Amino acid sequence: AQSVTQLDSHVSVSEGTPVLLRCNYSSSYSPSLFWYVQHPNKGLQLLLKYTSAATLVKGINGFEAEFKKSETSFHLTKPSAHMSDAAEYFCVVSGPRQGQKVTFGIGTKLQVIP
Amino acid sequence: ETGVTQSPTHLIKTRGQQVTLRCSSQSGHNTVSWYQQALGQGPQFIFQYYREEENGRGNFPPRFSGLQFPNYSSELNVNALELDDSALYLCASSLPGDRVEQYFGPGTRLTVT
Repeated sequence: AQSVTQLDSHVSVSEGTPVLLRCNYSSSYSPSLFWYVQHPNKGLQLLLKYTSAATLVKGINGFEAEFKKSETSFHLTKPSAHMSDAAEYFCVVSGPRQGQKVTFGIGTKLQVIP
Repeated sequence: ETGVTQSPTHLIKTRGQQVTLRCSSQSGHNTVSWYQQALGQGPQFIFQYYREEENGRGNFPPRFSGLQFPNYSSELNVNALELDDSALYLCASSLPGDRVEQYFGPGTRLTVT
């Protein structure tokens, strides 16, 4: 069994300030973890993924996430928000094998204030 | 490189009808997954196809079925439509293997009245 909890449904930050989007997971396996971003009227785009290698994962557009097994967390961060970061962000957990169930969080809507 | 494409973009159906949604995988990808995203929710995994066979399934009833063709394109079929089936349906393709990322299409918006 697996689940993912995104702790904030909405996050609002000022342009140029740090971004923190929180995600906790549970999994019976050694999980794969992903962050995807969804801009309005556009498809989901992969930001980064954790697949049991380095625990600090760097993604596109300056985002990174740290896998913390002891805290079952995979929080997404960015040092400085840009207006173009405003979107919905999804934390995703899946099993280690192809075809295993993929579970999305409910999403966090990021608002960036100029 | 061509991305994942889906058709149609929008569709309106009546309760009880049947619908077929289509997806073309990204070039070189032979695995396709389908998701349902209700308004204000995260996508929910319906099933995955690999080499034309169902390779994993989420908690969806049998009236949700699929096909994958030799060229790796795919169809999602939903029978006996219910009002709650109204959602954005997303297709994602990937290379075969474990722990791989998926590439998503823009989705088909289905409205059931």
